[in-house]
Amino acid sequence: GIQVEQSPPDLILQEGANSTLRCNFSDSVNNLQWFHQNPWGQLINLFYIPSGTKQNGRLSATTVATERYSLLYISSSQTTDSGVYFCAVPKRTGTASKLTFGTGTRLQVTL
Amino acid sequence: ETGVTQSPTHLIKTRGQQVTLRCSSQSGHNTVSWYQQALGQGPQFIFQYYREEENGRGNFPPRFSGLQFPNYSSELNVNALELDDSALYLCASSPARDGSYGYTFGSGTRLTVV
Repeated sequence: GIQVEQSPPDLILQEGANSTLRCNFSDSVNNLQWFHQNPWGQLINLFYIPSGTKQNGRLSATTVATERYSLLYISSSQTTDSGVYFCAVPKRTGTASKLTFGTGTRLQVTL
Repeated sequence: ETGVTQSPTHLIKTRGQQVTLRCSSQSGHNTVSWYQQALGQGPQFIFQYYREEENGRGNFPPRFSGLQFPNYSSELNVNALELDDSALYLCASSPARDGSYGYTFGSGTRLTVV
């Protein structure tokens, strides 16, 4: 099956700093999502981004499908950005589609 | 637009018991998937339902079963609970069964088996 790897695995930032999270995938995909899992476990959809670049406030994401990677940029980080960031790609399994999640990046933003 | 809601939020069960978790899909979404997330891991696909029928399954035993209802709400049932079933269970809904428009997740049910 498809392999999805994220880097770095762990990241500690001081509030206000910027960061870039990377997601590499081993096979062609027709879309990709970035999620933020907060400390209470909720998976929050950040971006649905099969290709190109999207921005939402302090966050932006770029997917280069031909080179099989996606980047998530966090600018001016805040303590509420803490949590685990997952990228996930859907793959067909019969008539269904399942999301394969990456290994995650655990982000801690400190004051 | 309503989001995906799950109930209960937390649950403690004894080994060998049975449990039912519930999910209400986002309005207009006809596809629901269930995922299991063990501590420190990423979510793992259990199965997907489309128009009330299971149409895809991950590497989970038959004691994990589900239902989807005409209003697109769904249930995950787990029989003969084992300690390793302790995890966060996430429900995700989508407007298309191929995932082409993305997935919306609920806030999960945290199951502890003792």
